[in-house]
Amino acid sequence: AQSVAQPEDQVNVAEGNPLTVKCTYSVSGNPYLFWYVQYPNRGLQFLLKYITGDNLVKGSYGFEAEFNKSQTSFHLKKPSALVSDSALYFCAVRDGGTGGFKTIFGAGTRLFVKA
Amino acid sequence: SQTIHQWPATLVQPVGSPLSLECTVEGTSNPNLYWYRQAAGRGLQLLFYSVGIGQISSEVPQNLSASRPQDRQFILSSKKLLLSDSGFYLCAWSPPQVYEQYFGPGTRLTVT
Repeated sequence: AQSVAQPEDQVNVAEGNPLTVKCTYSVSGNPYLFWYVQYPNRGLQFLLKYITGDNLVKGSYGFEAEFNKSQTSFHLKKPSALVSDSALYFCAVRDGGTGGFKTIFGAGTRLFVKA
Repeated sequence: SQTIHQWPATLVQPVGSPLSLECTVEGTSNPNLYWYRQAAGRGLQLLFYSVGIGQISSEVPQNLSASRPQDRQFILSSKKLLLSDSGFYLCAWSPPQVYEQYFGPGTRLTVT
């Protein structure tokens, strides 16, 4: 069975500083990994994904994530945080080996960027 | 371009009343469709998904049901709502062979 963990309930960072939101996963097959962002009372927006290839993937709004197979991690990063990045971030995993459609979402990490 | 619509945006219903939430996708064909529930602004629970008209897979046994009467229409229903059905309901779609999902704006359901 697949699972995903976001160990931090909340991350606080000052504007202009780098940010990291952590994610670890567990799947039996090949991991398909995703990051989504949710603003208050809105649906989720897709940020980026890792399916195969380069371990560093770049996405929307200057975000990037690094796939680390040995540590089963897929941390979200941004070199310089903006106040407007404050939102709820979800990591998600799908088992690419099963061909199934089920994507498991983490519990979410709330990011606060202080001016 | 593709867009996804959900309605209503907000709904307040008494316990025991029926429910019908609708989701439609424009600008694509044969999408995979999903219903999620998000409780207390946190994690998402997959309720149903569909890979084609009339094909529904249920992930969690409960008093909700889903139907897909047309290719780009996905409906979430209940015959009798429970207090525990309150939450934020999200519809999502993905193109065939594409793995990320695109979410609608959501419906905030309060059962009183």
